[in-house]
Amino acid sequence: GENVEQHPSTLSVQEGDSAVIKCTYSDSASNYFPWYKQELGKRPQLIIDIRSNVGEKKDQRIAVTLNKTAKHFSLHITETQPEDSAVYFCAASKLGGSQGNLIFGKGTKLSVKP
Amino acid sequence: EPEVTQTPSHQVTQMGQEVILRCVPISNHLYFYWYRQILGQKVEFLVSFYNNEISEKSEIFDDQFSVERPDGSNFTLKIRSTKLEDSAMYFCASLKGSYNEQFFGPGTRLTVL
Repeated sequence: GENVEQHPSTLSVQEGDSAVIKCTYSDSASNYFPWYKQELGKRPQLIIDIRSNVGEKKDQRIAVTLNKTAKHFSLHITETQPEDSAVYFCAASKLGGSQGNLIFGKGTKLSVKP
Repeated sequence: EPEVTQTPSHQVTQMGQEVILRCVPISNHLYFYWYRQILGQKVEFLVSFYNNEISEKSEIFDDQFSVERPDGSNFTLKIRSTKLEDSAMYFCASLKGSYNEQFFGPGTRLTVL
């Protein structure tokens, strides 16, 4: 089955700096890679996603890149703000079938210091 | 904006008891999921449900677990005989079509004593 590895497990940055979180996946059939932000005690919230037919996607301060050959994808947050502090999870899935279940990485706890 | 809802928000039970966790997916969604998250750990897939049957389940989803969609709106997860290690946050999620994003409910925190 699919396995998703995520690094680093914790990341501390100064406000205004950039943060990068990296994930690798094992199943070459995976074609959908969402990123979720989870604040303490809350549900995971989708912040950005990318499909395998695209190499990069950007939404304001957040961008995701995908390298299908190497089977890795990354989340980039620029101009970080204290409210970006949360746990971020990457996930992989196979869209298009009757399954679509998400396999998550272990999460990255991002702390943005004012 | 429509949301996935879950009840109860917190359930405390004794080991060996049965629990039923309830979810109301977004009304026009077709695919339904249960995930669990042990405190401080990653979100783990339990089961997916489509067209009134299980489409995939993980190794966590053993014979103690079952899912049901008893009517057109509810989607339930039953744990027959709870164990201490079942203590976790359980999230329901739903998906409109097979090419769309999943929306998560707020979760039910299950505590097994």
